[in-house]
Amino acid sequence: AQKVTQAQTEISVVEKEDVTLDCVYETRDTTYYLFWYKQPPSGELVFLIRRNSFDEQNEISGRYSWNFQKSTSSFNFTITASQVVDSAVYFCALSENFNKFYFGSGTKLNVKP
Amino acid sequence: NAGVTQTPKFQVLKTGQSMTLQCAQDMNHNSMYWYRQDPGMGLRLIYYSASEGTTDKGEVPNGYNVSRLNKREFSLRLESAAPSQTSVYFCASSEGSGQGAYSNQPQHFGDGTRLSIL
Repeated sequence: AQKVTQAQTEISVVEKEDVTLDCVYETRDTTYYLFWYKQPPSGELVFLIRRNSFDEQNEISGRYSWNFQKSTSSFNFTITASQVVDSAVYFCALSENFNKFYFGSGTKLNVKP
Repeated sequence: NAGVTQTPKFQVLKTGQSMTLQCAQDMNHNSMYWYRQDPGMGLRLIYYSASEGTTDKGEVPNGYNVSRLNKREFSLRLESAAPSQTSVYFCASSEGSGQGAYSNQPQHFGDGTRLSIL
């Protein structure tokens, strides 16, 4: 079974639209961490955010916000007023004990001008 | 700061050839990782090293070996390359340390190695 599911393979929006990328995870650990990474067309992976399982407060950073809900095992990522530079593949990841990292299959976001 | 450096950036091999992918980090991180990235499958962990002198299998270790040469360097070896190993390989490092430690630190990635096996 997939540890991290990103059901949206590809999303296309027009610039200035808001967009939400979904992430659903599965774990039996009580302590775990969730991450989002961005992979722009140039190919490098860029860390965006980390949350631990005990902190369900939503977080906002500029146009980015994250909604963590343990009840639904989800950690969704919203980009407000999207820009062309936001076009990338976004990965959600889960880390459990013993350095085990699991990445979702990624969501490709296309922001059109 | 160079961060995580991978060499080579591109490589084409013939089936059966061997090759070692090199990775070095200059951030004094304890943990290092090797992933492969295939279309539609995200990143899958091949091997990781929680600290100098230790290595452990990840999700897809078959066909690979690793060496944690020292704290800075973590190499990935393909002994007998197969077409199924055509992929983009990423090395990463993080501050997480020690076996049993939670990997709660963000990973820093290299730029990747595009490997094609004919």
